[in-house]
Amino acid sequence: AQSVTQLGSHVSVSEGALVLLRCNYSSSVPPYLFWYVQYPNQGLQLLLKYTSAATLVKGINGFEAEFKKSETSFHLTKPSAHMSDAAEYFCAVSLTGNTPLVFGKGTRLSVIA
Amino acid sequence: SQTIHQWPATLVQPVGSPLSLECTVEGTSNPNLYWYRQAAGRGLQLLFYSVGIGQISSEVPQNLSASRPQDRQFILSSKKLLLSDSGFYLCAWKPGAVTGELFFGEGSRLTVL
Repeated sequence: AQSVTQLGSHVSVSEGALVLLRCNYSSSVPPYLFWYVQYPNQGLQLLLKYTSAATLVKGINGFEAEFKKSETSFHLTKPSAHMSDAAEYFCAVSLTGNTPLVFGKGTRLSVIA
Repeated sequence: SQTIHQWPATLVQPVGSPLSLECTVEGTSNPNLYWYRQAAGRGLQLLFYSVGIGQISSEVPQNLSASRPQDRQFILSSKKLLLSDSGFYLCAWKPGAVTGELFFGEGSRLTVL
């Protein structure tokens, strides 16, 4: 069965600093991987997804993630944090077809002025 | 374009009362439908998913049930709410058996007193 581990339940960065949110997955077959963002009292919005094409995936709001099979990782990065990036971020993995997405426990990102 | 609607947005209910949360998807047919619950600090927990009318898979034994009376309608219910049912409930969909991301509704905040 697949699983996702997000290292760090809370990450705090200064405005303008690099954002790095970590995600490691466990899967017996090549997975599909996703990053979602959630603002308070809202649903989840897709940031980006990896679907076995390019290993470096660019998403919305300046975020990107790199799929590293050897490290079973899919870390999310952004070169320069903005105050508006403060939110909860979820990594998720899916195999195929009707298999539901499995989510990590989430990482809350705080951005300090 | 496809849209997902979820209601009510906020609900405060006494212990022992019934519950009905409704979710509908527009602009698509035969979607896969999902109910997740998000409790504070615990990430997203998959409760139920459905790949077709009348087909419900339960992921966690609990005080809740789900039904899919129509192709694009998914209902989460309880006969008697418990304090532990409090949380943020999210409905999501994706196209059929296609591997890919989920699209989430705006969520329903349930507080059981």
